[in-house]
Amino acid sequence: EAGVAQSPRYKIIEKRQSVAFWCNPISGHATLYWYQQILGQGPKLLIQFQNNGVVDDSQLPKDRFSAERLKGVDSTLKIQPAKLEDSAVYLCASSWGQRAGELFFGEGSRLTVL
Amino acid sequence: AQSVTQLDSQVPVFEEAPVELRCNYSSSVSVYLFWYVQYPNQGLQLLLKYLSGSTLVKGINGFEAEFNKSQTSFHMRKPSVHISDTAEYFCAVEEAGSYQLTFGKGTKLSVIP
Repeated sequence: EAGVAQSPRYKIIEKRQSVAFWCNPISGHATLYWYQQILGQGPKLLIQFQNNGVVDDSQLPKDRFSAERLKGVDSTLKIQPAKLEDSAVYLCASSWGQRAGELFFGEGSRLTVL
Repeated sequence: AQSVTQLDSQVPVFEEAPVELRCNYSSSVSVYLFWYVQYPNQGLQLLLKYLSGSTLVKGINGFEAEFNKSQTSFHMRKPSVHISDTAEYFCAVEEAGSYQLTFGKGTKLSVIP
């Protein structure tokens, strides 16, 4: 089966600019996650969707980050305006939502903010 | 809230030697435990998991881990490592039923020829 697809793989922007990342989960996976992985740290959950509804966005900096999952399939994560500390890899993952911890991750989108 | 501590940030080991990667967690409720591997410029891949039952679990690529509830640990071992095992390894915990993972900071395993 096809894996989790993410784009773009790499993005370099200036601070205060905006950026958007796209994720297409594995077909049939009801749950979709966005994680932020800063260099030298483990992934940190930003937002969790179940179908097209938000389950948890408590760690999403809502003043600058937004995410949506239209029609319960693919998802977009946006940052506007970007800050230097947003430099990280943004990982998308999906799961059936019924099996603990069996997340399937995409290759990630690496963001560099200058 | 749960947390995960990986005790070693870097572990160098010679090829064909054994290795142990250490992980401790804290949680006030029942948990599930996982190890993921991340190769350079790739996403994370599930290596093994503990949900219930036998405390010794086996995963892919010859790795195994033991859940120790009294010590709140989930250390992972491999009896003989290969060059291809060079990667970063993440321990993760899920509070039962939350469907959310909390990751440790990772351990970089470097296998020396």
